[in-house]
Amino acid sequence: DMKVTQMPRYLIKRMGENVLLECGQDMSHETMYWYRQDPGLGLQLIYISYDVDSNSEGDIPKGYRVSRKKREHFSLILDSAKTNQTSVYFCASSSPTVNNQAPLFGEGTRLSVL
Amino acid sequence: QQKVQQSPESLIVPEGGMASLNCTSSDRNVDYFWWYRQHSGKSPKMLMSIFSNGEKEEGRFTVHLNKASLHTSLHIRDSQPSDSALYLCAASHPSGSWQLIFGSGTQLTVMP
Repeated sequence: DMKVTQMPRYLIKRMGENVLLECGQDMSHETMYWYRQDPGLGLQLIYISYDVDSNSEGDIPKGYRVSRKKREHFSLILDSAKTNQTSVYFCASSSPTVNNQAPLFGEGTRLSVL
Repeated sequence: QQKVQQSPESLIVPEGGMASLNCTSSDRNVDYFWWYRQHSGKSPKMLMSIFSNGEKEEGRFTVHLNKASLHTSLHIRDSQPSDSALYLCAASHPSGSWQLIFGSGTQLTVMP
């Protein structure tokens, strides 16, 4: 069963703390994404990864960094989290041979930065 | 200004009615369009995609695309309460970047 798994599902952090969001997929998809979703703004692309160690900035990369050392695993790191990074974060993966590269989303991580 | 504009922001239709959702891209480089559906508290799920001019039908759902105007629309006939969700339109171009640009969505409510 094709699945994108995100951990943790819920997270509360204090401003200035470091945050690690993890994402895994078991389909050997080449491309993986991190989006954030805020009310009224839709899904905004933070980073896209085309394969191991092949990452590109999306529309809103400031304050975030990513790591992809294995094809099936993609991490989002917030160094010194800020309150305006409170959001729902979605990881997704895709492949050119599956649904014309349509991203398959994980269930999301709800992050609150206090 | 967002590159993918959706209208209306919210829509209420009666059960059994027709829902029509619109989406236009201001980026002339886009070529592919997707429609995703997101129920409250859940992740977006791909509903339909369209890459060529014309119409595509899958069950109660029909998608239209006019490439000249970069406009796509989603029509849901015989709407059901379970269709109540946020509908997201996304666009990308097939040059290889695969960076989907999402609109802010249309919130559809189907009243029983």
